[in-house]
Amino acid sequence: EAGVVQSPRYKIIEKKQPVAFWCNPISGHNTLYWYLQNLGQGPELLIRYENEEAVDDSQLPKDRFSAERLKGVDSTLKIQPAELGDSAVYLCASSLGRATDTQYFGPGTRLTVL
Amino acid sequence: QKEVEQDPGPLSVPEGAIVSLNCTYSNSAFQYFMWYRQYSRKGPELLMYTYSSGNKEDGRFTAQVDKSSKYISLFIRDSQPSDSATYLCAFDGGTSYGKLTFGQGTILTVHP
Repeated sequence: EAGVVQSPRYKIIEKKQPVAFWCNPISGHNTLYWYLQNLGQGPELLIRYENEEAVDDSQLPKDRFSAERLKGVDSTLKIQPAELGDSAVYLCASSLGRATDTQYFGPGTRLTVL
Repeated sequence: QKEVEQDPGPLSVPEGAIVSLNCTYSNSAFQYFMWYRQYSRKGPELLMYTYSSGNKEDGRFTAQVDKSSKYISLFIRDSQPSDSATYLCAFDGGTSYGKLTFGQGTILTVHP
Protein backbone atom coordinates (compact mmCIF):
# COMPACT_ATOMS: atom_id res chain seq x y z
CA GLU A 1 0.00 0.00 0.00
CA ALA A 2 1.40 3.40 -0.95
CA GLY A 3 2.07 5.79 1.88
CA VAL A 4 1.50 9.52 2.03
CA VAL A 5 3.03 11.16 -1.03
CA GLN A 6 4.42 14.67 -0.97
CA SER A 7 6.00 16.78 -3.65
CA PRO A 8 8.34 18.39 -4.20
CA ARG A 9 10.79 16.85 -1.73
CA TYR A 10 13.01 19.92 -1.79
CA LYS A 11 12.37 23.51 -2.77
CA ILE A 12 14.69 26.51 -2.77
CA ILE A 13 13.20 29.94 -3.41
CA GLU A 14 14.04 33.56 -2.81
CA LYS A 15 12.15 35.52 -0.18
CA LYS A 16 8.92 37.14 -1.31
CA GLN A 17 8.36 34.40 -3.90
CA PRO A 18 5.31 32.15 -3.71
CA VAL A 19 5.61 28.40 -3.13
CA ALA A 20 3.19 25.48 -3.06
CA PHE A 21 3.39 22.00 -1.61
CA TRP A 22 1.24 19.06 -2.62
CA CYS A 23 0.11 16.05 -0.60
CA ASN A 24 -1.72 12.88 -1.55
CA PRO A 25 -2.91 10.94 1.51
CA ILE A 26 -3.25 7.21 1.93
CA SER A 27 -6.28 5.94 0.02
CA GLY A 28 -9.38 5.93 2.19
CA HIS A 29 -8.00 8.31 4.80
CA ASN A 30 -10.53 11.04 5.49
CA THR A 31 -8.40 13.22 7.75
CA LEU A 32 -5.40 15.13 6.46
CA TYR A 33 -2.91 17.20 8.45
CA TRP A 34 -0.24 19.72 7.56
CA TYR A 35 2.58 20.11 10.08
CA LEU A 36 5.57 22.43 10.21
CA GLN A 37 8.85 21.07 11.56
CA ASN A 38 11.67 23.47 12.32
CA LEU A 39 15.20 22.18 12.66
CA GLY A 40 15.69 20.44 15.99
CA GLN A 41 12.02 20.68 16.89
CA GLY A 42 8.99 18.42 16.81
CA PRO A 43 6.23 18.91 14.26
CA GLU A 44 3.59 21.57 14.95
CA LEU A 45 0.11 21.32 13.48
CA LEU A 46 -0.80 23.99 10.94
CA ILE A 47 -4.17 22.74 9.73
CA ARG A 48 -6.37 19.65 9.91
CA TYR A 49 -8.98 18.61 7.37
CA GLU A 50 -11.82 16.18 7.79
CA ASN A 51 -12.72 15.39 4.21
CA GLU A 52 -12.75 18.83 2.53
CA GLU A 53 -13.53 20.81 5.67
CA ALA A 54 -10.78 22.57 7.63
CA VAL A 55 -11.68 21.73 11.24
CA ASP A 56 -8.60 23.16 12.96
CA ASP A 57 -6.58 25.95 11.36
CA SER A 58 -5.85 27.98 14.45
CA GLN A 59 -2.08 27.67 13.98
CA LEU A 60 -2.06 28.59 10.30
CA PRO A 61 -0.64 32.12 9.68
CA LYS A 62 -3.48 33.22 7.46
CA ASP A 63 -1.84 36.40 6.24
CA ARG A 64 0.56 34.42 4.05
CA PHE A 65 -0.44 30.76 4.28
CA SER A 66 -3.39 29.12 2.61
CA ALA A 67 -4.47 25.54 2.13
CA GLU A 68 -7.12 23.67 0.25
CA ARG A 69 -8.36 20.14 -0.02
CA LEU A 70 -10.67 19.99 -2.97
CA LYS A 71 -12.80 16.85 -3.28
CA GLY A 72 -11.51 15.67 0.09
CA VAL A 73 -8.51 13.81 -1.30
CA ASP A 74 -5.23 15.54 -2.08
CA SER A 75 -4.28 18.89 -0.63
CA THR A 76 -2.14 21.92 -1.41
CA LEU A 77 -0.44 24.23 1.06
CA LYS A 78 0.69 27.62 -0.26
CA ILE A 79 2.88 30.38 1.09
CA GLN A 80 2.74 33.82 -0.50
CA PRO A 81 5.01 35.66 -0.04
CA ALA A 82 7.65 33.44 1.58
CA GLU A 83 9.86 34.85 4.33
CA LEU A 84 13.28 33.73 5.54
CA GLY A 85 11.71 32.29 8.70
CA ASP A 86 9.55 29.93 6.65
CA SER A 87 12.56 27.70 5.97
CA ALA A 88 11.55 24.37 7.49
CA VAL A 89 10.17 20.94 6.64
CA TYR A 90 6.48 20.82 5.80
CA LEU A 91 4.98 17.45 6.68
CA CYS A 92 1.68 16.03 5.55
CA ALA A 93 -0.04 13.24 7.47
CA SER A 94 -3.28 11.33 7.10
CA SER A 95 -5.49 9.09 9.21
CA LEU A 96 -8.71 7.13 8.82
CA GLY A 97 -10.63 9.83 10.61
CA ARG A 98 -11.56 8.62 14.05
CA ALA A 99 -10.15 10.80 16.77
CA THR A 100 -7.40 8.47 17.95
CA ASP A 101 -6.48 6.81 14.68
CA THR A 102 -2.79 6.60 13.85
CA GLN A 103 -1.42 9.48 11.84
CA TYR A 104 0.83 8.38 8.98
CA PHE A 105 3.36 10.94 7.83
CA GLY A 106 4.81 11.62 4.43
CA PRO A 107 8.52 12.33 3.92
CA GLY A 108 8.01 16.08 3.95
CA THR A 109 9.02 18.97 1.73
CA ARG A 110 12.18 20.73 2.82
CA LEU A 111 11.85 24.45 2.04
CA THR A 112 14.81 26.82 1.96
CA VAL A 113 14.08 30.53 1.60
CA LEU A 114 17.10 32.62 0.58
CA GLN B 1 6.16 26.78 30.52
CA LYS B 2 6.12 24.49 27.51
CA GLU B 3 3.41 21.84 27.42
CA VAL B 4 6.00 19.17 26.68
CA GLU B 5 9.65 18.99 27.67
CA GLN B 6 11.99 16.46 26.09
CA ASP B 7 15.75 16.23 26.49
CA PRO B 8 17.14 16.87 23.00
CA GLY B 9 20.32 14.89 23.62
CA PRO B 10 22.14 13.90 21.53
CA LEU B 11 22.46 10.47 23.06
CA SER B 12 25.22 8.13 21.92
CA VAL B 13 25.35 4.53 23.16
CA PRO B 14 27.15 1.31 22.21
CA GLU B 15 25.26 -1.49 20.51
CA GLY B 16 23.45 -3.67 23.03
CA ALA B 17 22.93 -0.89 25.57
CA ILE B 18 19.62 -0.10 27.23
CA VAL B 19 18.35 3.33 26.21
CA SER B 20 15.97 5.48 28.22
CA LEU B 21 14.16 8.40 26.61
CA ASN B 22 11.95 10.69 28.64
CA CYS B 23 9.34 13.42 28.39
CA THR B 24 7.45 15.47 30.91
CA TYR B 25 4.19 17.26 30.20
CA SER B 26 2.01 19.81 31.94
CA ASN B 27 -1.39 19.43 30.25
CA SER B 28 -3.59 17.19 32.41
CA ALA B 29 -6.03 16.85 29.51
CA PHE B 30 -3.63 14.67 27.53
CA GLN B 31 -5.15 11.21 27.32
CA TYR B 32 -3.05 9.42 24.71
CA PHE B 33 0.70 8.99 24.80
CA MET B 34 2.83 8.10 21.83
CA TRP B 35 6.39 7.67 20.72
CA TYR B 36 7.35 8.36 17.13
CA ARG B 37 10.65 7.50 15.46
CA GLN B 38 12.01 9.74 12.71
CA TYR B 39 14.90 8.72 10.51
CA SER B 40 16.91 11.40 8.75
CA ARG B 41 15.06 12.93 5.79
CA LYS B 42 11.93 10.91 6.59
CA GLY B 43 8.60 11.63 8.25
CA PRO B 44 7.86 10.41 11.79
CA GLU B 45 6.45 6.89 12.17
CA LEU B 46 4.45 5.65 15.14
CA LEU B 47 6.41 3.32 17.39
CA MET B 48 4.33 2.95 20.54
CA TYR B 49 0.90 4.10 21.67
CA THR B 50 -0.77 3.88 25.08
CA TYR B 51 -3.54 5.59 26.99
CA SER B 52 -3.10 4.39 30.54
CA SER B 53 -0.52 4.58 33.27
CA GLY B 54 1.81 1.62 33.44
CA ASN B 55 4.02 -0.24 31.02
CA LYS B 56 3.41 -1.46 27.50
CA GLU B 57 5.90 -3.74 25.84
CA ASP B 58 6.49 -4.43 22.14
CA GLY B 59 9.56 -6.48 21.37
CA ARG B 60 12.62 -4.54 22.46
CA PHE B 61 10.58 -1.43 23.22
CA THR B 62 8.75 -0.57 26.44
CA ALA B 63 6.63 2.53 26.89
CA GLN B 64 6.00 3.69 30.42
CA VAL B 65 3.44 6.29 31.51
CA ASP B 66 3.09 7.87 34.93
CA LYS B 67 0.08 10.17 34.79
CA SER B 68 0.42 11.26 38.41
CA SER B 69 3.90 12.61 37.72
CA LYS B 70 3.10 13.64 34.12
CA TYR B 71 6.07 11.69 32.89
CA ILE B 72 6.50 9.21 30.07
CA SER B 73 9.46 7.10 29.04
CA LEU B 74 10.56 4.85 26.23
CA PHE B 75 13.05 2.09 26.92
CA ILE B 76 14.95 0.31 24.18
CA ARG B 77 16.64 -2.96 25.12
CA ASP B 78 19.54 -4.46 23.20
CA SER B 79 19.84 -1.33 21.09
CA GLN B 80 20.92 -1.76 17.47
CA PRO B 81 22.59 0.62 15.00
CA SER B 82 19.30 0.59 13.08
CA ASP B 83 17.69 2.27 16.12
CA SER B 84 19.72 5.41 15.38
CA ALA B 85 17.10 8.07 14.77
CA THR B 86 15.27 10.95 16.43
CA TYR B 87 12.63 9.87 18.93
CA LEU B 88 9.66 12.14 19.48
CA CYS B 89 7.17 11.88 22.29
CA ALA B 90 3.66 12.96 21.30
CA PHE B 91 0.42 13.61 23.16
CA ASP B 92 -3.22 13.73 22.14
CA GLY B 93 -6.43 14.80 23.83
CA GLY B 94 -5.48 18.34 24.76
CA THR B 95 -7.68 20.97 23.14
CA SER B 96 -9.09 18.43 20.70
CA TYR B 97 -8.43 14.90 19.63
CA GLY B 98 -6.26 14.44 16.60
CA LYS B 99 -4.15 17.50 17.35
CA LEU B 100 -0.85 15.98 18.42
CA THR B 101 1.55 17.92 20.61
CA PHE B 102 5.13 16.78 20.07
CA GLY B 103 8.27 17.06 22.13
CA GLN B 104 11.33 18.47 20.40
CA GLY B 105 12.86 15.04 19.87
CA THR B 106 15.90 13.19 21.20
CA ILE B 107 18.63 12.29 18.72
CA LEU B 108 19.92 8.76 19.38
CA THR B 109 23.01 7.19 17.85
CA VAL B 110 23.82 3.53 18.48
CA HIS B 111 27.35 2.74 17.42
CA PRO B 112 28.59 -0.78 16.62
